[in-house]
Amino acid sequence: QLQQSGPGLVKPSQTLSLTCAVSGDSVSSESAAWSWIRQSPSRGLEWLGRTYYRSKWYNDYAESVKSRITINPDASKNQFSLQVSSVTPEDTAVYYCARDPEWLRDAFDIWGQGTVVTVSS
Amino acid sequence: QSALTQPRSVSGSPGQSVTISCTGTSSDVGAYKEVSWYQQHPGKAPKLMIYDVSDRPSGVPDRFSGSKSGNTASLTISGLQAEDEADYYCCSLTGTNTRVVFGGGTKVTVL
Repeated sequence: QLQQSGPGLVKPSQTLSLTCAVSGDSVSSESAAWSWIRQSPSRGLEWLGRTYYRSKWYNDYAESVKSRITINPDASKNQFSLQVSSVTPEDTAVYYCARDPEWLRDAFDIWGQGTVVTVSS
Repeated sequence: QSALTQPRSVSGSPGQSVTISCTGTSSDVGAYKEVSWYQQHPGKAPKLMIYDVSDRPSGVPDRFSGSKSGNTASLTISGLQAEDEADYYCCSLTGTNTRVVFGGGTKVTVL
C-alpha cells in the first residue's frame, strides 16, 4: 500500500514537496522501482521520475521536468519523496506515487491515493 | 499533447465488445513489449489491467485482452458490463530518459 502526504496548495516559484509511505513492501527492494506520476486536464498522465535500489540508489527523471525535480528515498522510514522546484500554475495536477515491480516490466501495479496540488498565490 | 494517441471515446451496449486503439511510433509502442493499460474511475487512481501487451494481472477479468500490431496497441473489452464504464489509458516504454509515456485516455461509455 502507498500512502501519500503533503500540502495541496503551493505558491508560484516555491517548491512542491510530497511524500509516499510504503507498506507491505520495501522501498529498498531490489525488485521494484518507485515512481511519481501526475495527471492534469492539459497534460494527461505524465510520468515524472523514479527511484530504485540495485546495490545502490538510482534515479531516472523525465526530460520535461529534469531540471526541477528531485526524488529521494528514505529507507529508514520506508518512504520516498518528490520535490519540484520553481513551480508554476502548469504544475497544478493530481500527483500519484506508484510501484513498478520488476516482474511487471515497467507497469504500475500499486498506486497512492493521489494528492491534488494547486499552484496559486 | 500526449505522446500516444487514443480515441477520445468509444461506446457499446452491455454484452457487446469494444476496442480501444493506442498509436505510438517505432520508438515506443512499436519497439517494446512493455505496453500496459489502465482503467480509471472518476476520483480514483488508475488500475493496471494489462501489462506486456497482453498479460493480465491476477484478479483482472479475462474479458479484458490486449494486442499489438506495429506501432498500434489495442485493448478489447468483451461482454461489456456497466462497471467497465471508465477512462482507459495506454502506456509504453520509450527507451529514453523519459522512461514511459501515456496515451491521452479513452472514455468508455456503456449504453
